[in-house]
Amino acid sequence: NAGVTQTPKFQVLKTGQSMTLQCAQDMNHNSMYWYRQDPGMGLRLIYYSASEGTTDKGEVPNGYNVSRLNKREFSLRLESAAPSQTSVYFCASSAGAWGTGELFFGEGSRLTVL
Amino acid sequence: GIQVEQSPPDLILQEGANSTLRCNFSDSVNNLQWFHQNPWGQLINLFYIPSGTKQNGRLSATTVATERYSLLYISSSQTTDSGVYFCAVERAYKYIFGTGTRLKVLA
Repeated sequence: NAGVTQTPKFQVLKTGQSMTLQCAQDMNHNSMYWYRQDPGMGLRLIYYSASEGTTDKGEVPNGYNVSRLNKREFSLRLESAAPSQTSVYFCASSAGAWGTGELFFGEGSRLTVL
Repeated sequence: GIQVEQSPPDLILQEGANSTLRCNFSDSVNNLQWFHQNPWGQLINLFYIPSGTKQNGRLSATTVATERYSLLYISSSQTTDSGVYFCAVERAYKYIFGTGTRLKVLA
């Protein structure tokens, strides 16, 4: 049982390049989330999907887009990467729809934008 | 939006000491969790505790939802307890994190 799986684990981009972070969960969870963590700081919510077919902005959505591809998968896209998006990105899921239930995290994706 | 504050921001302990970490939140919440982020960056679930008290080995947690705070107790600390402890509260369909308490346990 893998839980929450993120790919890639490491990525280096040049300013202006685009990329997609993939997230998949095998726990049949309804809600999924993307967070970013900057050095020495807590986690800030980028986007979330409270149930399959819905997505909403979190605290820091600018420069990102998301797609809830199906119940298992929730991707995060950077259309034109900027150095300010250098961070560690975490995907998470919870069982209940509309945010209820315990939150479980993937191992993170470290992104560097030069 | 809801504010989540954790204290103290930093804590250094000798192995074997006890500690209490606090999480205050500014509005009513539906759920609350405590996480440990280890030195490798992994986020480990400690407690899912919207109210009441739970214990797991040397760790225990208490949430008093009516007074908008939660406490995490670490007893007989070990070097493996080092890392950052986060609380996260769920309100309006999403979890919001505090800024964490950075704990270092010295051998």
